[in-house]
Amino acid sequence: AQSVTQLDSQVPVFEEAPVELRCNYSSSVSVYLFWYVQYPNQGLQLLLKYLSGSTLVESINGFEAEFNKSQTSFHLRKPSVHISDTAEYFCAVSGISSGSARQLTFGSGTQLTVLP
Amino acid sequence: EAGVAQSPRYKIIEKRQSVAFWCNPISGHATLYWYQQILGQGPKLLIQFQNNGVVDDSQLPKDRFSAERLKGVDSTLKIQPAKLEDSAVYLCASSLVGRAGYGYTFGSGTRLTVV
Repeated sequence: AQSVTQLDSQVPVFEEAPVELRCNYSSSVSVYLFWYVQYPNQGLQLLLKYLSGSTLVESINGFEAEFNKSQTSFHLRKPSVHISDTAEYFCAVSGISSGSARQLTFGSGTQLTVLP
Repeated sequence: EAGVAQSPRYKIIEKRQSVAFWCNPISGHATLYWYQQILGQGPKLLIQFQNNGVVDDSQLPKDRFSAERLKGVDSTLKIQPAKLEDSAVYLCASSLVGRAGYGYTFGSGTRLTVV
C-alpha cells in the first residue's frame, strides 16, 4: 500500500515570488508520482508526472518537480508564480506493480493562493 | 478527444433519500474509478472497475453505496439512504488498461449536499 503526505495545507505567496509545495510518500513497491491541480468547481488535471529516467520533470506552465528516492519526496516548485496559479494541488502515487497497487493514492492537498 | 462526462454537476437531497450519479469515460478506457472528495481532503477511492468487472471495492460502504458498469462503458454510483457525511464531490476517472504511468483523466465531478 502507498500513502502520501502533503506537509502544508495552505501556502500563500505573493505574485512573482518562488514557491515550493512539499510532498512525501511511502510505498513498499516502486512508484510513479504525479501532481494534479484542481481549480474551483473543476475536476483534477494532471500537471506533471515522474515515471522513470530524469528525476526532474517539468510542466508546460513552468512548474517542475524532483523525485528524490532517498528522501521519498516529490516536491513541486515554480520560480515565479502568477495569480492564475491559485488552485489546490494534489500529490499522488501509484505502484508500478500490477493489480490494485496501480490505483492512485492522493495526499490531502495544498491550497496555493497567489496574492497581488 | 472527449473527456470524462459526469452528471449531474450538483445535487441537493435530504438525508435518508437516495441519489445516483452517472459517468461516461473516455472511449477505449477500460478502467474506471469512482473517488469521493470530502471538502478539505484528497480524493479517496471508492471503487475500481476493469471493463464491467469490479477490481477493488474495499473502501466502498456497501451497506449504502452501490455501483455498476454495464457493458463495460458507462457507470452509475448510487447512495441509498444518504447520510449527512456523504456530502462530498464524487469524481469519476478513467484510464487505459495497464497504463498506470499515464495517470487518469478525471471528470468535473458531482457535488452532493445532504441536508
